[in-house]
Amino acid sequence: QKEVEQNSGPLSVPEGAIASLNCTYSDRVSQSFFWYRQYSGKSPELIMSIYSNGDKEDGRFTAQLNKASQYVSLLIRDSQPSDSATYLCAVGIQSGGFKTIFGAGTRLFVKA
Amino acid sequence: SAVISQKPSRDICQRGTSLTIQCQVDSQVTMMFWYRQQPGQSLTLIATANQGSEATYESGFVIDKFPISRPNLTFSTLTVSNMSPEDSSIYLCSVDGTSGRASETQYFGPGTRLLVL
Repeated sequence: QKEVEQNSGPLSVPEGAIASLNCTYSDRVSQSFFWYRQYSGKSPELIMSIYSNGDKEDGRFTAQLNKASQYVSLLIRDSQPSDSATYLCAVGIQSGGFKTIFGAGTRLFVKA
Repeated sequence: SAVISQKPSRDICQRGTSLTIQCQVDSQVTMMFWYRQQPGQSLTLIATANQGSEATYESGFVIDKFPISRPNLTFSTLTVSNMSPEDSSIYLCSVDGTSGRASETQYFGPGTRLLVL
């Protein structure tokens, strides 16, 4: 079983809509959770980090974490064509030192 | 956030040869990591580069194939040895916070695009 699972997509939403990206993880000792955005041909960049259950909002982005269900999501409100990218869910674990495990990513297309 | 540079940005190599990739950070950092991203795939952690000691390799990656150096808190190298076409990939250096302020957030270098013929 993969440690971090995401729907590969592509997920297509119209401009102005809410994009919902989901992620599940298998390691119950995971303590930190991240969403990275990766444009084609570029390196990943951090969008959000979340450490406790509930919602965390930052501008148009909201991360949601449910540790009991081992589930983390990212909502993008008022989606823009510039949001079109691959979104990587990542989980931080302590295993002989801290390391980050990345999901395969979900490709998002926002149609103008 | 730290500014990270990688050299070379891209290269085309013949099978059986080796390539050393350099990662330079503009400030001292606690942790440095090397990832591989094959076309259309996500990031796979190769190893954690430890300052002053041997790197910590992930399952499936060995020192003979991917020797790593980290002589100080701002610099690391990854060598891809005895290359085959299967090594064609993007190799990314990442760092985690700055010295004395460990952070779980990672910042990535621009990557090295390697094609092995």
